[in-house]
Amino acid sequence: DAGVTQSPTHLIKTRGQHVTLRCSPISGHKSVSWYQQVLGQGPQFIFQYYEKEERGRGNFPDRFSARQFPNYSSELNVNALLLGDSALYLCASSEQGRGYSNQPQHFGDGTRLSIL
Amino acid sequence: GENVEQHPSTLSVQEGDSAVIKCTYSDSASNYFPWYKQELGKGPQLIIDIRSNVGEKKDQRIAVTLNKTAKHFSLHITETQPEDSAVYFCAASIFSGGYNKLIFGAGTRLAVHP
Repeated sequence: DAGVTQSPTHLIKTRGQHVTLRCSPISGHKSVSWYQQVLGQGPQFIFQYYEKEERGRGNFPDRFSARQFPNYSSELNVNALLLGDSALYLCASSEQGRGYSNQPQHFGDGTRLSIL
Repeated sequence: GENVEQHPSTLSVQEGDSAVIKCTYSDSASNYFPWYKQELGKGPQLIIDIRSNVGEKKDQRIAVTLNKTAKHFSLHITETQPEDSAVYFCAASIFSGGYNKLIFGAGTRLAVHP
């Protein structure tokens, strides 16, 4: 079975530009979460989406936005890129749904975003 | 606030030895504790998890223990092999408001020497 897939694998942008990252969850998983991992640190929670709605948001500015599509895939958008946005962006999927307890989150290999 | 502390930051062992990584969480409402292994150039891979109603869980060479009173949980790897070399992350999670988020520790770089 295919795991979580993310594209692109690497991306180079300049300050002020915007970027769109894509994620396809494991088949049957309806919840997608996005995390930012700065080099040498643990991942930090950005969003969780379920049934096309944002269910939770971490401590990130409004420049970060996302959406989820009817097939449960998701896009992360970042506007007005800053040097500090350079990081590995990870997508995780789970069977999490309304009324469920914590379900395991399975990660993709991420998109490495470099800002020049 | 929500915080997970992880120790040690680096760990070096000889093949066949055991390795122990310890984490402490701050939010007593946390009820799910997964462990991830991250190899170079890859995303975190879930290796084992434990829920707050369980004190210990084993899966072959790996085991996790949880002390809710002390808000500590630990990963134990026995009979380590060179392929166990990676960065290991602990995390704590609360399911609240219809969603859960993982709060990660800073990671432990494990090196297993042949």
